[in-house]
Amino acid sequence: DTAVSQTPKYLVTQMGNDKSIKCEQNLGHDTMYWYKQDSKKFLKIMFSYNNKELIINETVPNRFSPKSPDKAHLNLHINSLELGDSAVYFCASSQVAEGVNTGELFFGEGSRLTVL
Amino acid sequence: AQSVTQLDSQVPVFEEAPVELRCNYSSSVSVYLFWYVQYPNQGLQLLLKYLSGSTLVKGINGFEAEFNKSQTSFHLRKPSVHISDTAEYFCAVSNQGGKLIFGQGTELSVKP
Repeated sequence: DTAVSQTPKYLVTQMGNDKSIKCEQNLGHDTMYWYKQDSKKFLKIMFSYNNKELIINETVPNRFSPKSPDKAHLNLHINSLELGDSAVYFCASSQVAEGVNTGELFFGEGSRLTVL
Repeated sequence: AQSVTQLDSQVPVFEEAPVELRCNYSSSVSVYLFWYVQYPNQGLQLLLKYLSGSTLVKGINGFEAEFNKSQTSFHLRKPSVHISDTAEYFCAVSNQGGKLIFGQGTELSVKP
């Protein structure tokens, strides 16, 4: 069983379209994240949810909207896709232990988004 | 604010040679430190972590790292690398808030 799974793995779409990426974790973790990895492999945090509540929201365009229906799922919806949105999007999860979240992340395999 | 600098973007080495990947961080509070490895077209996998205690931490695949608070460094080492160690390596830092900040990555290329 994959601990953190994302779908789809590859996504090719036209500029202006709307697309979603789904993520599920079966680790029982409280916190989930979306990271963006650009063409230079730089990883930047986008969002974080703890028990369905948004706790980290970096400077991300409003076209990106995360949704967490329950603590095991975190989806990412992107409206009006632009060329610059092409990247690999990683979902991750972590656990709070004794009130501390060390930030140790468990990553999914990534979703490669290509906008034409 | 925290930040991480990986001093080398690419490190080419020959098989069975030792390697050190350098990482420096800045933070005004206590930190947790991590090294992750990313093989081509895969997600990130935890190599090792420093949370507290002994400053020398050992990880998977024969890697180890030393936390040096005075030099704000967390360099990754392996005494003898294999072809299969070819990958991108990321140093990362977080505080108790669970926000992990990554360095720019170091591409380790092991040649026969």
